[in-house]
Amino acid sequence: LAKTTQPISMDSYEGQEVNITCSHNNIATNDYITWYQQFPSQGPRFIIQGYKTKVTNEVASLFIPADRKSSTLSLPRVSLSDTAVYYCLVGPGKSSGDKLTFGTGTRLAVRP
Amino acid sequence: DAGVIQSPRHEVTEMGQEVTLRCKPISGHDYLFWYRQTMMRGLELLIYFNNNVPIDDSGMPEDRFSAKMPNASFSTLKIQPSEPRDSAVYFCASSLGKSSYNEQFFGPGTRLTVL
Repeated sequence: LAKTTQPISMDSYEGQEVNITCSHNNIATNDYITWYQQFPSQGPRFIIQGYKTKVTNEVASLFIPADRKSSTLSLPRVSLSDTAVYYCLVGPGKSSGDKLTFGTGTRLAVRP
Repeated sequence: DAGVIQSPRHEVTEMGQEVTLRCKPISGHDYLFWYRQTMMRGLELLIYFNNNVPIDDSGMPEDRFSAKMPNASFSTLKIQPSEPRDSAVYFCASSLGKSSYNEQFFGPGTRLTVL
């Protein structure tokens, strides 16, 4: 089961771009990289997912280098409402029986 | 769709009492997951079902915990007898497909306090 490592916490100010990097050195060929966001007193919420290169949606961008041993979640121009815990998950495709494992996540605090 | 529905939202009970948590997944989803979240251990997967059948319960901490899914629209997680160390937020999630590229939709959680 691929393990992930990400910073425990990060601080930012409103309007800045935030980049959260996740390491997953033993990622397998059929693993996808997925990021979830969790606000206080709520369940996690899917943000973005990718396999390689770059993925962008209305919320964030995900950058994955060629070796796929790390990935970076990029949040453009954060606001106070982006204060949350962000989880990086690496998990299998349909053929595997492995579980999804949420690590400790990165606690992002956005200040005015 | 109303999303994943969990009840109750808060539960306070005394040690030794039976606790039942309830979950209604999103209609049409074929996978249902139960998670537990604490400060010390983070978010842990307890058990998951596929088409109402339990597939992996290796995350269930001990025999005091049991989960059922009698039909596609309802699941329960029961703790009997409850202990103070069971205090946590319990989340139910559902997805269409299990693998990591199938988005899991989480409910609001049940905050359990065992005194």
